[in-house]
Amino acid sequence: DAKTTQPNSMESNEEEPVHLPCNHSTISGTDYIHWYRQLPSQGPEYVIHGLTSNVNNRMASLAIAEDRKSSTLILHRATLRDAAVYYCILTPSLADNFNKFYFGSGTKLNVKP
Amino acid sequence: EAQVTQNPRYLITVTGKKLTVTCSQNMNHEYMSWYRQDPGLGLRQIYYSMNVEVTDKGDVPEGYKVSRKEKRNFPLILESPSPNQTSLYFCASSSYPQGGRDTQYFGPGTRLTVL
Repeated sequence: DAKTTQPNSMESNEEEPVHLPCNHSTISGTDYIHWYRQLPSQGPEYVIHGLTSNVNNRMASLAIAEDRKSSTLILHRATLRDAAVYYCILTPSLADNFNKFYFGSGTKLNVKP
Repeated sequence: EAQVTQNPRYLITVTGKKLTVTCSQNMNHEYMSWYRQDPGLGLRQIYYSMNVEVTDKGDVPEGYKVSRKEKRNFPLILESPSPNQTSLYFCASSSYPQGGRDTQYFGPGTRLTVL
């Protein structure tokens, strides 16, 4: 199963950009890269996902390395509300496992005022 | 409002007493899934369902049952709960039958304590 590696924690200052890295060296060609975040006392919420090209949405940007072995979630201006645990997830490449999600331990982001 | 609801939100029970945690979504999603979250272990998938009457095991299915008789509901059943099933449980749903390709929407969680 393709796994991801993320730093346990990161810290950022409010209103500054944040780059959250994720390594997935065993990624397969058809694996999607998803990012979710979990605010304190809440269920995870979707942030962004991509396959090969960089992606942007209203919440964040996703930069995917050319070899797809790593990706970076970019929060352009961190706010206190962005303090959460961020999960980088790969969806398995095998058709019969396509429905399984594997969450790692994630990166706990602390945002300082 | 589009949402995934779970009930109860908190439950304390005793070993061996059967319980059901309900999950319902109002988005007409085909894919639904259950996870448990434990300190240091992150979120682990218990069961998932691609459509009505179609369910399959996730990473940690032992001790759990599910059913999908209607599209909107996906209850999690613990026939004989044990203390090691004390955990925070999340239900999720997704519009795409192969859930990995689409956004998953998560419920608010159910905190279960088995004494």
